[in-house]
Amino acid sequence: QVQLKETGPGLVQPTQTLSITCTVSGFSLTSYYMQWVRQTPGKGLEWMGFIRSGGSTEYNSEFKSRLSISRDTSKNQVFLKMNSLKTEDTGVYYCARANWELWGQGVMVTVSS
Amino acid sequence: DIQMTQSPSFLSASVGDRVTINCKASQNINKYLNWYQQKLGEAPKRLIYNTNNLQTGIPSRFSGSGSGTDYTLTISSLQPEDFATYFCLQHNSFPFTFGSGTKLEIK
Repeated sequence: QVQLKETGPGLVQPTQTLSITCTVSGFSLTSYYMQWVRQTPGKGLEWMGFIRSGGSTEYNSEFKSRLSISRDTSKNQVFLKMNSLKTEDTGVYYCARANWELWGQGVMVTVSS
Repeated sequence: DIQMTQSPSFLSASVGDRVTINCKASQNINKYLNWYQQKLGEAPKRLIYNTNNLQTGIPSRFSGSGSGTDYTLTISSLQPEDFATYFCLQHNSFPFTFGSGTKLEIK
């Protein structure tokens, strides 16, 4: 079955680093781009970036200085890491496949001390 | 960045009604416009891709149209399961951007 599932810490302190994993099943990461999107109360849905099937990345300049997307194809996992977190980064983080046809359920992240 | 202006933000309608939701881009997006349905706690579901292509498994009461900067999602006859939030996504150019969403409620 083709699916995506995000896992993450739930609560992160300001200035710390957020790490989220997207585990995929039913397809290979070497065949599809993987996107990251977030939904925050302040800005709604925002595209964060993607990793291509070949492993190169593209980032939204809004996040570029503090965002990193990587993957482990052997584990069928894609990773999002974002540093210097602020309370405004509180929201739901989603991974999505390629042409946005399939999304995970998202993981809620709260940035608070 | 391309701004996507979605309207209306809220829509109250009855079962059987025909409804339309609009997204206006700040520049030409060459029909690279998708529509999604989102229900609370669920993954967004793609309804329409590239303006007017119905996603496999989505009922034919959903349709999309548009070109240039103006795009529309139409639900021809609302069903109870259609009450949800809808949003558009332009994937013509970086950074990809989203509409602000339309919450469709039961009248």
